[in-house]
Amino acid sequence: GAGVSQTPSNKVTEKGKYVELRCDPISGHTALYWYRQSLGQGPEFLIYFQGTGAADDSGLPNDRFFAVRPEGSVSTLKIQRTERGDSAVYLCASSHYAGGPEAFFGQGTRLTVV
Amino acid sequence: AQRVTQPEKLLSVFKGAPVELKCNYSYSGSPELFWYVQYSRQRLQLLLRHISRESIKGFTADLNKGETSFHLKKPFAQEEDSAMYYCALSALAPGANNLFFGTGTRLTVIP
Repeated sequence: GAGVSQTPSNKVTEKGKYVELRCDPISGHTALYWYRQSLGQGPEFLIYFQGTGAADDSGLPNDRFFAVRPEGSVSTLKIQRTERGDSAVYLCASSHYAGGPEAFFGQGTRLTVV
Repeated sequence: AQRVTQPEKLLSVFKGAPVELKCNYSYSGSPELFWYVQYSRQRLQLLLRHISRESIKGFTADLNKGETSFHLKKPFAQEEDSAMYYCALSALAPGANNLFFGTGTRLTVIP
């Protein structure tokens, strides 16, 4: 594809439900990042993958959040027992390699927990 | 710990006027600094990074380690510059990965 693709673009879910957010990075990019952006804030780092492995998950807020990238391409961010405070725009980015010249961002998934 | 501060949430300037978006940072190691921009209804994209020493769309930014600043400047603002601007920091180290972002400044260029 032409760029990083995220689906769905919008997701409304009830408190306590489980959600999955998908990221399809630019082909050939080995590094993939997830960020969360709350209203009025800048993007906040969640987790980073190099290939299939999570190289740094220090930004995940708690164990309700989990992410996978089983084949080193598409990644899924999973949130269990969603809370209203999880409402935010979840951004995915990819780059050729860790610390590469440019991270390309997707358009984001707006998650609303009601 | 690293921190990026953008003191202005909103900034308005007239077309043709100079513009400066402020960014200050704190980081104990050697940082790499970036400016990202998000135009209306578009995705976040890289504007420039300090190690490239480029001028993009007329914008420049100089890293001042003494003042720990990386202010973004343009001598003559254009209407198409209206957007949300984020300053970001990354560790300048092998394998460095994630970005730390400021809270952003919304620039409005008045025709």
